[in-house]
Amino acid sequence: GAVVSQHPSRVICKSGTSVKIECRSLDFQATTMFWYRQFPKKSLMLMATSNEGSKATYEQGVEKDKFLINHASLTLSTLTVTSAHPEDSSFYICRSVKGTEAFFGQGTRLTVV
Amino acid sequence: GENVEQHPSTLSVQEGDSAVIKCTYSDSASNYFPWYKQELGKGPQLIIDIRSNVGEKKDQRIAVTLNKTAKHFSLHITETQPEDSAVYFCAASDQAGTALIFGKGTTLSVSS
Repeated sequence: GAVVSQHPSRVICKSGTSVKIECRSLDFQATTMFWYRQFPKKSLMLMATSNEGSKATYEQGVEKDKFLINHASLTLSTLTVTSAHPEDSSFYICRSVKGTEAFFGQGTRLTVV
Repeated sequence: GENVEQHPSTLSVQEGDSAVIKCTYSDSASNYFPWYKQELGKGPQLIIDIRSNVGEKKDQRIAVTLNKTAKHFSLHITETQPEDSAVYFCAASDQAGTALIFGKGTTLSVSS
């Protein structure tokens, strides 16, 4: 199947700093990318939907100024957690759409200390 | 919007037994129902999916059934093995390329 590369797989950062997570579709062009967040032992919660070349659509309760999403090309979408705080510590996962199918990245474990 | 309920939250079985996980959904417009397996520290892996024009689908030891009238679908794993131990999520959407709404997950433990 199609490959979606997400990195970093793990990152530890200090409170107040920003962290960028990248998601690349390696062998296809992704017109749409979904970003999910998962707390320990919880389900995946949709944060936002991004379409190449346009602004992301955020789910209710997700701060768009805190979680910046950029989908500048058909193969790359980034999620930047700005001014991170310990409560932002979570597992972040992207999901790229290829036609009528979609594929998850490997996920990024963010720990804010 | 769509709401997906998943039961049970935990399931413990002996190796060789069958495991069944059930989900219900609320939006009759949903047509795509995938199941994911997630191991610790990894992203979800699609194990099987079903679309609304099919009532049942099977892939070796894994099968999924769908009842659109009742709005529920189930995952069946036969001859379970310890490596089947993981968290399983059901999800629903109107098609594969749109946002999925996930159930809360089922932690399956298979003991040998």
